[in-house]
Parts: sequence; C-alpha cells; structure tokens
Amino acid sequence: DTAVSQTPKYLVTQMGNDKSIKCEQNLGHDTMYWYKQDSKKFLKIMFSYNNKELIINETVPNRFSPKSPDKAHLNLHINSLELGDSAVYFCASSQPGQGTYEQYFGPGTRLTVT
Amino acid sequence: DQQVKQNSPSLSVQEGRISILNCDYTNSMFDYFLWYKKYPAEGPTFLISISSIKDKNEDGRFTVFLNKSAKHLSLHIVPSQPGDSAVYFCAASAWNTNAGKSTFGDGTTLTVKP
Repeated sequence: DTAVSQTPKYLVTQMGNDKSIKCEQNLGHDTMYWYKQDSKKFLKIMFSYNNKELIINETVPNRFSPKSPDKAHLNLHINSLELGDSAVYFCASSQPGQGTYEQYFGPGTRLTVT
Repeated sequence: DQQVKQNSPSLSVQEGRISILNCDYTNSMFDYFLWYKKYPAEGPTFLISISSIKDKNEDGRFTVFLNKSAKHLSLHIVPSQPGDSAVYFCAASAWNTNAGKSTFGDGTTLTVKP
C-alpha cells in the first residue's frame, strides 16, 4: 500500500506546453512538499503546504503553481515549460508537530522538456 | 549559500568494513538532523535522525554522531553491506521555523564492494 504516490512517473513534453504532476499521500499527514532534483542531484525544496495552506514558497518562477484540494493531495502545475525545467520532481509529506521531521517521499516524476 | 554540505560526492568501501559519511552545516538555528537513503529511480527514504540535544543516536548498524561546536555530523554504517550501496542525503531542520522544512545536502554516493 503506497504511502506517497505520484503520477506520472515519466513525462516527456515540448517547450511551451503546460503540464501537471499529481501527488497523493495516505499517511494522514498535514504537511506536503514539492522538491526539484536537478542534474547535479541536489534536492531543492520548492513549495510546502500545511493543511491546504501554502507555508513555504521558495524562489520558484511563477510558471510553477501548486494546488492542494485537500490535505492528502498536492498537485504541481507548470506553465510554458522550458528546457531548464527538466529534472526529477519529488513529492513528500510529513507530520512535523510530532517532534520529528522525517519526510516520506514519493517515487519521483522525471520530467524531460525537449 | 548552501547551508548543508556533503563534501564527498562518493565513497567506496569493502563489504564488512565501516562506512563513514560526513555532513557539515552553517546555520546554527538547525536543531534536528536526518539522513536519507536513495536508490536509483526511487524517492529518498528516511534512515535515522538526531536532535541537537544529543550527540549520538544508534539504530542497528547505523549510528549518527553530532558535533554541534564543529557544526558537523556523520553517519557510520557497521558492517557495510552491498545493499547499502545508494546515495545518502544529510538534511537539517529548525523546529520553530517553516514547520518542518528540511534543507538537504547534495548527497554522497556509497558503493559497498562484495
């Protein structure tokens, strides 16, 4: 039973297109995150939502828009895709109020922009 | 400014020996530290953590040491096994800021040779 799932796992698209990545967690966590892992393997946080509310918004272009319809889902919509958006995007969830900060990650979505 | 650094991109050890992975941080507000393990084509999985009130935490073959004055932590794996071959990420959090946001290092690829 997958704890954090993402769809699709692979996404190949052309520059200028708009695409979405979906994330769902069944852990009952209040907080969800989006990370970008670029070609240098560095994991960089993009957004965090706590109970459907945006709490972290790092320096990310406006073309990226997260949406949280409920606390179990956090989707990422990307407009006007650029070559530099090619990366692996990870969704994660956690329950930080319990005194620990471990995050549970999804399997990742490999986005390739051509 | 990279607040969490793993200066060794890769480490190779023989099966049965000790693996030591290192991590340095610059932000003195960090008070919770985590290690994650990542296999190819999968998301990172939580391995072990340590609070700043401790200097050591052990879980089976994995031990994390924290030296607050040096702003340094290390992960020891004893004995190392081929299945431990993966990328290891160090992460740091400050509990009273940004509700569980973790800052990640850029990872160390561990190869355990049979």
